[in-house]
Order: sequence, then structure tokens, then C-alpha cells
Amino acid sequence: EVQLVESGGGLVQPGGSLRLSCAASGFTFSSYWMSWVRQAPGKGLEWVANIKQDGSENYYVDSVKGRFTISRDNTKNSLYLRLNSLRAEDTAVYYCARGWYPDYWGQGTLVTVSS
Amino acid sequence: DIQMTQSPSSLSASVGDRVTITCRASQSITRYLNWYQQKPGKAPNLLIYAASSLQSGVPSRFSGSGSGTDFTLTISSLQPEDFATYYCQQSSSAPITFGQGTRLEI
Repeated sequence: EVQLVESGGGLVQPGGSLRLSCAASGFTFSSYWMSWVRQAPGKGLEWVANIKQDGSENYYVDSVKGRFTISRDNTKNSLYLRLNSLRAEDTAVYYCARGWYPDYWGQGTLVTVSS
Repeated sequence: DIQMTQSPSSLSASVGDRVTITCRASQSITRYLNWYQQKPGKAPNLLIYAASSLQSGVPSRFSGSGSGTDFTLTISSLQPEDFATYYCQQSSSAPITFGQGTRLEI
């Protein structure tokens, strides 16, 4: 069974940092692009970033470029998102998802940016 | 960036109705168009990929069509469990973008 389990969310002050993690199981992690998608409270879905199977290529939405970093460790079947210089508008549930058109999603982890 | 525009933003319908949601891309995305269903408090669920391919396990009352810039999601006969929010998504090029969503209400 495919499982994606996010962790690392929480309350952080504006300007602060967090690292989100996603533990993958039930499939060959190293064979898939992986994505992060977020959803602000009461709002729609926003793709944040994705990363190629070997980590050699990645893309970001403009609003997070230079602040967020996506990475992966295929030896640990894990995906990461480093969030720096956080703003109130980054408050959202962050989902880890498999692929460019994700067929599996995690349950999400809530990031709240507030003083 | 490719902009995705869904219509309508919300829709009221009844069990048994046939419903169509449209999605328009700001430039051609050939058939790199996917549809998701999301229920409150849950992660999205992939329904249709590559414009018209039904994801495994998704009921056949869901169908998708279109190419280029104009796409549709059709639910042939609404069931109670179909009341949710639906999103289109283009996976033609980064940044990947979603439509704003269509809330389907009873």
C-alpha cells in the first residue's frame, strides 16, 4: 500500500524557518518525481515545487523561489521542503504528493505563520 | 505561467443530474490536463489524467474530454458522495497550475 506521511509543520513567527518531511512507503520512491502542494485555509490548491527522481532537476512556484528548497533522500525514501523567510501568506496545509499529476497524496501538515 | 480558469465557480445540482465543469488554459497544453475531487478536510483524489483517462478505482460516471485549451469534466449521474470541490490541473509545463475550483453543492 502506497503511503505518504508528512511531518514538521507547526506555528512559526514571520521570518522564521521550518523543514517539512515526507516519509514514503509502498512503492519505489526513487522512480518518481515528487511534489509539494499547499492549500491555504478555505482556499484552492497551489502547487509549490517538485523534484526529479534523482534530485537533479526541480521547479518552484514564483512566490517561493529563493525561500523554499525541495530535496529528497532516496536511501531513506524521504522528501523534504525547507521553508525560510516565512510570511503570513505561507500559512497552509502542505501536502506531499507523488508525480506531476499526483495519484497519491499525504494527509498534509499544517504550517501557521503568525506572531 | 499557464493560467487555468474553471467555470462555474459553484454549482447546485441534485442526485441523478448530469453535470459538466469546464476548464480553460491560457495556452495550449495538448492533453496534459488532470481532474481532482476534494472533500472537506481530505487530500485531493485524482479522477482523470491526460484529459480523458479514468484513474483506477474511479467510477465510470466520471469522464473527461478536450484538448488544446478547452476541457470538460462530466459526471453522468450525480451520486450523494460526489458533492465536493473539483479542480483541474495542467501538467504540461512548470510551474504546474490548478484551476480555482468548482464547488458542487446539493
